[in-house]
Amino acid sequence: KQEVTQIPAALSVPEGENLVLNCSFTDSAIYNLQWFRQDPGKGLTSLLLIQSSQREQTSGRLNASLDKSSGRSTLYIAASQPGDSATYLCAVIAGTSYGKLTFGQGTILTVHP
Amino acid sequence: KAGVTQTPRYLIKTRGQQVTLSCSPISGHRSVSWYQQTPGQGLQFLFEYFSETQRNKGNFPGRFSGRQFSNSRSEMNVSTLELGDSALYLCASRGNPGGYRETQYFGPGTRLLVL
Repeated sequence: KQEVTQIPAALSVPEGENLVLNCSFTDSAIYNLQWFRQDPGKGLTSLLLIQSSQREQTSGRLNASLDKSSGRSTLYIAASQPGDSATYLCAVIAGTSYGKLTFGQGTILTVHP
Repeated sequence: KAGVTQTPRYLIKTRGQQVTLSCSPISGHRSVSWYQQTPGQGLQFLFEYFSETQRNKGNFPGRFSGRQFSNSRSEMNVSTLELGDSALYLCASRGNPGGYRETQYFGPGTRLLVL
């Protein structure tokens, strides 16, 4: 059974800091890994999707890496801003699970001015 | 292009009642998945539909059911509501159901409160 763990559970940083969010998964036979952002009471916004054959993806100040063999992914946020405050979730699709995303519990990020 | 829409946005029900939630995917998307989000369990997969067929199902009791129509709109039904069914219900759509390379796009969710 696939399990996804995110560390840390919460993170508070001053504006301008570079930060790293961690995600680990138990079954390395994944098709892809996605990072999402969720604002309080809202739906999920996709940030980055990494295929199993890829090592990293970048979008603006965000960079996500994937090491399938070790079952790990990191989301790097450069020059954090208060608007980055949200919950960040990673999720994987594995095997024949079609549209089933298995999510981690998320990291609650607070960036203070 | 309009995003995924869900109706209603908020619902209050009492134990024992049933509820139906609706999801309209992005135009052209044929796959719809449903998730339940609670503070204790996080996001959990309910089921996925493609071409009116359920392709995958999560570990939820039979009180949770769904269906998909020919226009790809999907409904989720929960019968005999329990207090523990209070949650944010999210649906997601994607264009190519075999294309695990594709992003899933989420709607804003329906907040269900069971009293």
